[in-house]
Amino acid sequence: GAVVSQHPSRVICKSGTSVKIECRSLDFQATTMFWYRQFPKQSLMLMATSNEGSKATYEQGVEKDKFLINHASLTLSTLTVTSAHPEDSSFYICSAPPPRAGSSYNEQFFGPGTRLTVL
Amino acid sequence: AQSVTQLDSQVPVFEEAPVELRCNYSSSVSVYLFWYVQYPNQGLQLLLKYLSGSTLVESINGFEAEFNKSQTSFHLRKPSVHISDTAEYFCAVTRSNDYKLSFGAGTTVTVRA
Repeated sequence: GAVVSQHPSRVICKSGTSVKIECRSLDFQATTMFWYRQFPKQSLMLMATSNEGSKATYEQGVEKDKFLINHASLTLSTLTVTSAHPEDSSFYICSAPPPRAGSSYNEQFFGPGTRLTVL
Repeated sequence: AQSVTQLDSQVPVFEEAPVELRCNYSSSVSVYLFWYVQYPNQGLQLLLKYLSGSTLVESINGFEAEFNKSQTSFHLRKPSVHISDTAEYFCAVTRSNDYKLSFGAGTTVTVRA
């Protein structure tokens, strides 16, 4: 099956610094990727839709200047948490739908997630 | 917009006992339904999905879920659980013409010997 990777898996940073998280589709091209945020013991909340070659679409309540998304190629999307603060500490997960292929059209493949801790 | 409600936040169960995780959804349009599993310290994995056709869907590891349109439910069941089934289970829904997933709050299943 399709594989989505994320890097790094864990990152600890100081308050005020910026952190970049990469999401890659390893064996397929993804014109669209999704970024989610998951707080401990809670569900995934969709943050934004990353579109290759165009601006990301952010969900209501998500600060686009805080969470910068760049979808530079068909296999890579990056999420940069700018001027991170302790409240940004969370588990960030990306996903990508596979190339359209019959009934799997609506399926998504998830990356393993990146745990961000801001001190 | 669609939404998902998982009625049980935590389900403790003994090994080899049956388990049912409840999921209800609301939507004004046709939807696809999914169950994802998240093992400790891992990413989400698709467990099973309902897109169309038979309302009873099964996974390779013994789970099954039944789509009930009249009750807007997609409950997940397994007749006999293993210790290795200890995980977080998420019910999710997407509109049939969209990729965006809406997740339920999750159900933590803890299987004890």
